[in-house]
Amino acid sequence: GENVEQHPSTLSVQEGDSAVIKCTYSDSASNYFPWYKQELGKRPQLIIDIRSNVGEKKDQRIAVTLNKTAKHFSLHITETQPEDSAVYFCAASKVGEYGNKLVFGAGTILRVKS
Amino acid sequence: DAGITQSPRHKVTETGTPVTLRCHQTENHRYMYWYRQDPGHGLRLIHYSYGVKDTDKGEVSDGYSVSRSKTEDFLLTLESATSSQTSVYFCAISVKPGGRNEQYFGPGTRLTVT
Repeated sequence: GENVEQHPSTLSVQEGDSAVIKCTYSDSASNYFPWYKQELGKRPQLIIDIRSNVGEKKDQRIAVTLNKTAKHFSLHITETQPEDSAVYFCAASKVGEYGNKLVFGAGTILRVKS
Repeated sequence: DAGITQSPRHKVTETGTPVTLRCHQTENHRYMYWYRQDPGHGLRLIHYSYGVKDTDKGEVSDGYSVSRSKTEDFLLTLESATSSQTSVYFCAISVKPGGRNEQYFGPGTRLTVT
């Protein structure tokens, strides 16, 4: 089955700097790659996603890139702000008739220092 | 919030007792999921449903059963709770696999088995 590895496990950046979180996946059939942000005590919130037929997607200060050949995808956050501090999870799935069974990475704790 | 509620939000129970968690959605989504979240593991899929009375196992299904007798409710049962099932449980729905793939989470249930 699918296996997703996420690095780094913790990341500290200065406010205004960029942050990059990387994930690798094992199943070349996976075709959907979302990123979630989770604040302490809250539910995971979808922040951006990408499908396997797209190499890059951007939404304001966040972007995701996908390299299908190498089977890795990354989250890029520019101009980080204190409110970006949270745990970020990547996930991968093969979307099909029976649903969208996400396999998650272990998470990255992002701390933005002001 | 995609119209998802979970009940109870917190529960403490003793080893060996049965426990049922409820996920309720108001938007008639076909696909529903149960995940558990533990430190160092991200979120892991327990069971999922692709329609009324249509369910299947995820990667960590041992010790759990589910039922879906109507579209809006997806129940997760721990037949005989163990301390290893102490966790935060999240229900999720997906909008439309194959079209929109987004998956949204409920607020979670914190379960403690003593």
